Amino acid sequence: SQQGEEDPQALSIQEGENATMNCSYKTSINNLQWYRQNSGRGLVHLILIRSNEREKHSGRLRVTLDTSKKSSSLLITASRAADTASYFCATGIGNQFYFGTGTSLTVIP
Amino acid sequence: NAGVTQTPKFRVLKTGQSMTLLCAQDMNHEYMYWYRQDPGMGLRLIHYSVGEGTTAKGEVPDGYNVSRLKKQNFLLGLESAAPSQTSVYFCASSKQGATVYNEQFFGPGTRLTVL
Repeated sequence: SQQGEEDPQALSIQEGENATMNCSYKTSINNLQWYRQNSGRGLVHLILIRSNEREKHSGRLRVTLDTSKKSSSLLITASRAADTASYFCATGIGNQFYFGTGTSLTVIP
Repeated sequence: NAGVTQTPKFRVLKTGQSMTLLCAQDMNHEYMYWYRQDPGMGLRLIHYSVGEGTTAKGEVPDGYNVSRLKKQNFLLGLESAAPSQTSVYFCASSKQGATVYNEQFFGPGTRLTVL
């Protein structure tokens, strides 16, 4: 499987703290995306980083990509209770997207 | 715009029964996908379509069939349901494929239980 792996599987932090989650993948990619899934809902796209980019920002989100290590990280700064969700990385290869196993983030008010 | 919708939201089947899940999108997207999500497994691609009248196998296609007769609809069929097909099924669409820098839009999911 070309599926990615997120680390950690679960993360619990206090509101206002930063949350960092990591994604490792196995093969060369065109791009890497991060999605959020609230409990019982579908996935929502957060941010996309191209294979030739190393860092990207969007609001409180910061994504890095290291293609030599086949890894990416998602940083959420100044977390809020509303950030409580599962976060997935997805790698774009050919016509398909391959999703990781997810990180469950709990932000405690 | 409704985005991506899925019908039904919940379904319980007995082993051996058949059913069809309907996905519809109103964004004029070319690409559509069916995933299943199981605990601890992330999302796995079942089948996908790169345009009207086309379908292709994903990572876990066995036991499923699909059809894309209209651009806006993508149907997922289970011919003879098995307990191993108990899962949450998500449909997604995108303007273009994964080689282009575009996102997927997901439906709310269908929770299927096979007894």
